[in-house]
Amino acid sequence: DTAVSQTPKYLVTQMGNDKSIKCEQNLGHDTMYWYKQDSKKFLKIMFSYNNKELIINETVPNRFSPKSPDKAHLNLHINSLELGDSAVYFCASSQTMSFEETQYFGPGTRLLVL
Amino acid sequence: AQSVAQPEDQVNVAEGNPLTVKCTYSVSGNPYLFWYVQYPNRGLQFLLKYITGDNLVKGSYGFEAEFNKSQTSFHLKKPSALVSDSALYFCAVRPKNNFNKFYFGSGTKLNVKP
Repeated sequence: DTAVSQTPKYLVTQMGNDKSIKCEQNLGHDTMYWYKQDSKKFLKIMFSYNNKELIINETVPNRFSPKSPDKAHLNLHINSLELGDSAVYFCASSQTMSFEETQYFGPGTRLLVL
Repeated sequence: AQSVAQPEDQVNVAEGNPLTVKCTYSVSGNPYLFWYVQYPNRGLQFLLKYITGDNLVKGSYGFEAEFNKSQTSFHLKKPSALVSDSALYFCAVRPKNNFNKFYFGSGTKLNVKP
């Protein structure tokens, strides 16, 4: 069983479109995250979400909005896609919000904006 | 500015030889330190972490890392490399004063030749 899963695996779309990426974890964790990995493999945290509390990274454009229907899911919605949004997006989860917690990553969603 | 440095983009070792992947950080306080591994087209997998206590931390797949506070380093090591260890390795640092900050290094590609 996949602990953290993401759909779709690949996403190719046009500039200006709106798209969503789904994430589900079956680990019973309280906290979930979204990361962006650029073409140079640089990984940057975008959001943290814990029990309906969203911690926003101030550098993320407001075109990006995480939505959590329940504790096991954290979806990422992106409005008005831009070329620079092309990247690999990783979802992750951890047992709690504690700083020392290990994070478990999904397989990634490769987004290409044309 | 707070940062994590992995000075080597690539490390090449022969199978059976010891390996070291370097990581230094510039993060205030006594942060938590992590190593993750990424195989091609896969998400990140947790290897090990330093929270407190013994400076030598043992993790998955025979890897270990040594925390050196005076040098602010957390180098990843393995006594005998395997071809299957070939992957991209990320050092990550989490400060204790900001939950939404999780700094990753730029990654080091490890190539283990038979």
